[in-house]
Amino acid sequence: AQSVTQPDIHITVSEGASLELRCNYSYGATPYLFWYVQSPGQGLQLLLKYFSGDTLVQGIKGFEAEFKRSQSSFNLRKPSVHWSDAAEYFCAGWGNTGFQKLVFGTGTRLLVSP
Amino acid sequence: ETGVTQSPTHLIKTRGQQVTLRCSSQSGHNTVSWYQQALGQGPQFIFQYYREEENGRGNFPPRFSGLQFPNYSSELNVNALELDDSALYLCASSLVRGAPPGELFFGEGSRLTVL
Repeated sequence: AQSVTQPDIHITVSEGASLELRCNYSYGATPYLFWYVQSPGQGLQLLLKYFSGDTLVQGIKGFEAEFKRSQSSFNLRKPSVHWSDAAEYFCAGWGNTGFQKLVFGTGTRLLVSP
Repeated sequence: ETGVTQSPTHLIKTRGQQVTLRCSSQSGHNTVSWYQQALGQGPQFIFQYYREEENGRGNFPPRFSGLQFPNYSSELNVNALELDDSALYLCASSLVRGAPPGELFFGEGSRLTVL
């Protein structure tokens, strides 16, 4: 079955430190992969997406993600975290089902300490 | 602001009741998807509507139904509410051009509590 796994429920990072959020996928073929962010009381905002080509993808707000086929991973990174980055982050995959069904991970809550 | 608006933002129902949630999609978008996000979980796909027809459904029972109107706005209806239906219901609109998928623009959701 198609699935996306985010192994970390919570992560705490000091402001200014680097960040890496993990995401693993299980698909028969290379899926399209996405990272979304959800702030409290807000909907989901797309940070970045991977469809094909360059395995390092740049997104908004200084985020990037690297697709690694050998590890079935699509980890999200940011070199220097700001307090405003505190939110819930979701990895999602789309496996070409013929319609736009995104399969989401369970999310990682990022806490930023001063 | 994504241009996707949902109403109501919060509502409380009791078991057995019925609820209708509404979504106004972003201008020009012809596809609406609905997702259920239970507390502490990622969103789960309910179904998608394209040009007023349901063209994909997740693992949800038939008491979850929907409509899409000619202006591409949409409704999600849930009959015979159960406690486990308590969740944030997210609507997302997109412009379908085939694979790969167009970006989904999410609304801020309707928080349903079933007592």
